[in-house]
Amino acid sequence: AQSVTQLDSQVPVFEEAPVELRCNYSSSVSVYLFWYVQYPNQGLQLLLKYLSGSTLVKGINGFEAEFNKSQTSFHLRKPSVHISDTAEYFCAVSPNTGFQKLVFGTGTRLLVSP
Amino acid sequence: DAGVIQSPRHEVTEMGQEVTLRCKPISGHNSLFWYRQTMMRGLELLIYFNNNVPIDDSGMPEDRFSAKMPNASFSTLKIQPSEPRDSAVYFCASSSTGKKSNQPQHFGDGTRLSIL
Repeated sequence: AQSVTQLDSQVPVFEEAPVELRCNYSSSVSVYLFWYVQYPNQGLQLLLKYLSGSTLVKGINGFEAEFNKSQTSFHLRKPSVHISDTAEYFCAVSPNTGFQKLVFGTGTRLLVSP
Repeated sequence: DAGVIQSPRHEVTEMGQEVTLRCKPISGHNSLFWYRQTMMRGLELLIYFNNNVPIDDSGMPEDRFSAKMPNASFSTLKIQPSEPRDSAVYFCASSSTGKKSNQPQHFGDGTRLSIL
């Protein structure tokens, strides 16, 4: 079984500042890792994913994440945030074999203020 | 391109009534997922289908919940009878994974269900 821990329920940050949203996972098998973003009253949208290869993955809207196998982490970063980045961010894992079965973290609300 | 389409967007009904949520996946996608999102439990997978066949329904909370996928372009999630604790946002997602788990799921905008 897999589990995902997002340590911060809310992260306030000023516009143009850097941000890191933390994600740690637990799994007895190899996994794929995903970050999704949810804007108010909308569904989830994929930001980026790690499947294999380079541990630094780049996604949409200037976000990137680094897979660290030894620390079982997949933290999301952006060097300079915008007001429009205010949203809920979900980290998710899925076994890398068989049918995709996403297990989500509890989410981190990013609040960007001017 | 049309994304995943869910209807209705909002549903308010009284306890004991039957509720039917609908989903139209992205054309060409062969996997479909139903999720429930609540403040207390976060996002939970309820059931997923591959090629219209239910593969894993271990997340379906009770026998009051049932899901069908009669064809590749339509799925329903039904709750009968409904209870106040079923109030949540229900999401449908689709993907083209088949037996590969590396393709992203595309989510609809959800149905916000309130059971009074």
